[in-house]
Amino acid sequence: QKEVEQDPGPLSVPEGAIVSLNCTYSNSAFQYFMWYRQYSRKGPELLMYTYSSGNKEDGRFTAQVDKSSKYISLFIRDSQPSDSATYLCAMRTQGAQKLVFGQGTRLTINP
Amino acid sequence: DGGITQSPKYLFRKEGQNVTLSCEQNLNHDAMYWYRQDPGQGLRLIYYSQIVNDFQKGDIAEGYSVSREKKESFPLTVTSAQKNPTAFYLCASSMAGMNSYTFGSGTRLTVV
Repeated sequence: QKEVEQDPGPLSVPEGAIVSLNCTYSNSAFQYFMWYRQYSRKGPELLMYTYSSGNKEDGRFTAQVDKSSKYISLFIRDSQPSDSATYLCAMRTQGAQKLVFGQGTRLTINP
Repeated sequence: DGGITQSPKYLFRKEGQNVTLSCEQNLNHDAMYWYRQDPGQGLRLIYYSQIVNDFQKGDIAEGYSVSREKKESFPLTVTSAQKNPTAFYLCASSMAGMNSYTFGSGTRLTVV
């Protein structure tokens, strides 16, 4: 079993829809949670970062962490075609330098 | 502008050849990483280095080698021992203790 599981999709939704992307994990020691966005043939870029449990909002994006369920989510409101990309969750434990990534979910927003 | 530069963008390798992928950063980051990305498998860590002249194996180090002689540079050699090297290779860097990795634009390696 992988430490971090993410549905690879692909996920296709109409423009303006609310998108929910999710990851589950098995290591209860993970404390730092990130979402990266990767456009085709490019390197990933950091989108959201959350420490421990709770919600964080940045514009149309909301990241949620539920440590009791070992489940994290990224919500995208009012989705735009420019949001079409692969979204990767990543996490690490306290004191660890390296991140553990999920498989990535490929998202397409249709105009 | 600060960033990470990976070269070449595309690389073709014949069976039995070693090839070296370049990664240079001017962000003054301490740590550097090499990941391999295959469809449906996300990013898998090959090697990482937290300081000059030191590096550690990641989850899939077999068939790869690295060096870290300068803070700015972390080249990856894909040896002939790597049986399935066709993939997208990503280099990243970060400050010690920081969660934000800066990634390069990747090198797509194809075996012909």
